[in-house]
Amino acid sequence: RKEVEQDPGPFNVPEGATVAFNCTYSNSASQSFFWYRQDCRKEPKLLMSVYSSGNEDGRFTAQLNRASQYISLLIRDSKLSDSATYLCVVNIAGSNYQLIWGAGTKLIIKP
Amino acid sequence: DGGITQSPKYLFRKEGQNVTLSCEQNLNHDAMYWYRQDPGQGLRLIYYSQIVNDFQKGDIAEGYSVSREKKESFPLTVTSAQKNPTAFYLCASSIGDRYNQPQHFGDGTRLSIL
Repeated sequence: RKEVEQDPGPFNVPEGATVAFNCTYSNSASQSFFWYRQDCRKEPKLLMSVYSSGNEDGRFTAQLNRASQYISLLIRDSKLSDSATYLCVVNIAGSNYQLIWGAGTKLIIKP
Repeated sequence: DGGITQSPKYLFRKEGQNVTLSCEQNLNHDAMYWYRQDPGQGLRLIYYSQIVNDFQKGDIAEGYSVSREKKESFPLTVTSAQKNPTAFYLCASSIGDRYNQPQHFGDGTRLSIL
């Protein structure tokens, strides 16, 4: 089993729709969780950290489910500019420095 | 503007040649990282450094070397021992000393074999 697993997609979604994807992680002791977005042939950029109580940033909502060991990302009112690959990132338990990166979920927003 | 600068953007390596990728940050971050990304895969950690004059191997350190002589700089050398160096190389930095501190990236170097 991979340490961080994501559905590679692509998710093809009409503009204005709501889309959600999950990411599962294997180590129950992990403490840091992030979503990054990566555009084609560009560097990853932090979208949001994921906190235990869940958090929202504009149209984006992130949730953490420790019991089932997954994090989720919900995008409301999707825009064409949301088209990207979304990377799920989890720390190696006990380390502030070492992260495990999912391979990403590709999202395509269609007009 | 604060940020991370990687150079060059594109690099070509001949057989048997060592090449060095530059990474400079002015964010005053203690921790710096080098990753490799291959198509369809997640980022894999090559080396990381928590503080000046100290660094640790990541998951795929073989064929690579680093130095951390200054806080701002963390160059990566891809040696001739790395037999499959073609990839997208990403440098990152973070505050590093606590949980939930995200890493921030430079815009990467694409390395190819001639």
